[in-house]
Amino acid sequence: GAGVSQSPSNKVTEKGKDVELRCDPISGHTALYWYRQSLGQGLEFLIYFQGNSAPDKSGLPSDRFSAERTGGSVSTLTIQRTQQEDSAVYLCASSFRQGAYNSPLHFGNGTRLTVT
Amino acid sequence: TQLLEQSPQFLSIQEGENLTVYCNSSSVFSSLQWYRQEPGEGPVLLVTVVTGGEVKKLKRLTFQFGDARKDSSLHITAAQPGDTGLYLCAGKVKINAGGTSYGKLTFGQGTILTVHP
Repeated sequence: GAGVSQSPSNKVTEKGKDVELRCDPISGHTALYWYRQSLGQGLEFLIYFQGNSAPDKSGLPSDRFSAERTGGSVSTLTIQRTQQEDSAVYLCASSFRQGAYNSPLHFGNGTRLTVT
Repeated sequence: TQLLEQSPQFLSIQEGENLTVYCNSSSVFSSLQWYRQEPGEGPVLLVTVVTGGEVKKLKRLTFQFGDARKDSSLHITAAQPGDTGLYLCAGKVKINAGGTSYGKLTFGQGTILTVHP
């Protein structure tokens, strides 16, 4: 497909379980972001990848959260020992290298995570 | 930490009315973007403003960037039900991290607009 693809679209898990969320960015986009969005709210920055550079992990809320980007393409966000407050929509976005000020982010449709 | 205050948080109006959404910060941004998001989908970029005082028009939508590049507004003329959605502003600052630099977006909390027929 031409857009950013995220899977699964919905995930329900029990408290304490680990989950993996996947993002396939647009081909050729070197920048990849993960954001978290609570119901009807703004986006909270989690992590940024750019090519082979070290990622900016400054937005990860705790050490239970981690992310990888393999081969400069697909990214996986992992949440260990999930808690109810982790319930949210997790959005992935990609763009061309963020050197240009007006490079737009192209978002996927998100993964809605519910921790019971 | 750059914070963006967006107001109002909720807006419910009748078709044909005009409205303005505000985005304010104490921080200076290199550029500011406005996105629109519909339920179950990711945000979609509407416009980017770069220069202080810049005004951009997109059909019935008018976007303005403050002279000091700290604030922005979105004005919709003669709103239509199809304008219903979550409107997000996002300010960009240059970040140096991991041996590289990039433009980091900070999002406001959004304005939920409902336009009734």
